[in-house]
Amino acid sequence: EVQLVESGGGLVQPGGSLRLSCAASGFTFSSYWMHWVRQVPGKGLVWVSFINRDGSSTSYADSVEGRFTISRDNAKNTLYLQMNSLRAEDTAVYYCARDRRIRDFDYWGQGTLVTVSS
Amino acid sequence: SYVLTQPPSVSVAPGRTARITCGGNKIVSKSVHWYQQKPGQAPVLVIYYDSDRPSGIPERFSGSNSGDTATLTISRVEAGDEADYYCQVWDSSRDHVVFGGGTKLTVL
Repeated sequence: EVQLVESGGGLVQPGGSLRLSCAASGFTFSSYWMHWVRQVPGKGLVWVSFINRDGSSTSYADSVEGRFTISRDNAKNTLYLQMNSLRAEDTAVYYCARDRRIRDFDYWGQGTLVTVSS
Repeated sequence: SYVLTQPPSVSVAPGRTARITCGGNKIVSKSVHWYQQKPGQAPVLVIYYDSDRPSGIPERFSGSNSGDTATLTISRVEAGDEADYYCQVWDSSRDHVVFGGGTKLTVL
């Protein structure tokens, strides 16, 4: 059974940092692109970032470019999102998602809530 | 950047057909994917490649894509279909994923 389990969310002050993790199981993690998607409670889905199979290619939404870094450890079957210089507008539930084939997402984690507030 | 436009809400009576649109410039040139999200849950892929259904998704869910509009069609709507629906594409010019704003489907 495919499982994606996010962790690392919590309350952080503006300007602070946080690292999210997404533990994958039930599939060959190294064979799939992976993404982070966020959602402000009550609002829509917003794509954040992707990373290809071996980590050699990444991309970011304009709103997080230069502040967030996506990475992966295929030996540990884990996806990461390092978030620096956090702002109030980064407050959201963050989901990791598996890229099925062409940037469509067939499995999602349950999400982890990040709250940026003083 | 590429923009996807969805109606904020669609209402339909049980047993009828719901159609949720997703507008984008020459969207026919892109593969459109659709997700269903119920309150407190993660999204679920219901249509990929414009019109393909993942295993486990009822045949009542179908999709089409033409010109500047993609459409998710839900036939014989049931109360359990009430949810938010999002369309999504890959903007290859920027290597970005784009989501529509979402449509809340209400079953009357």
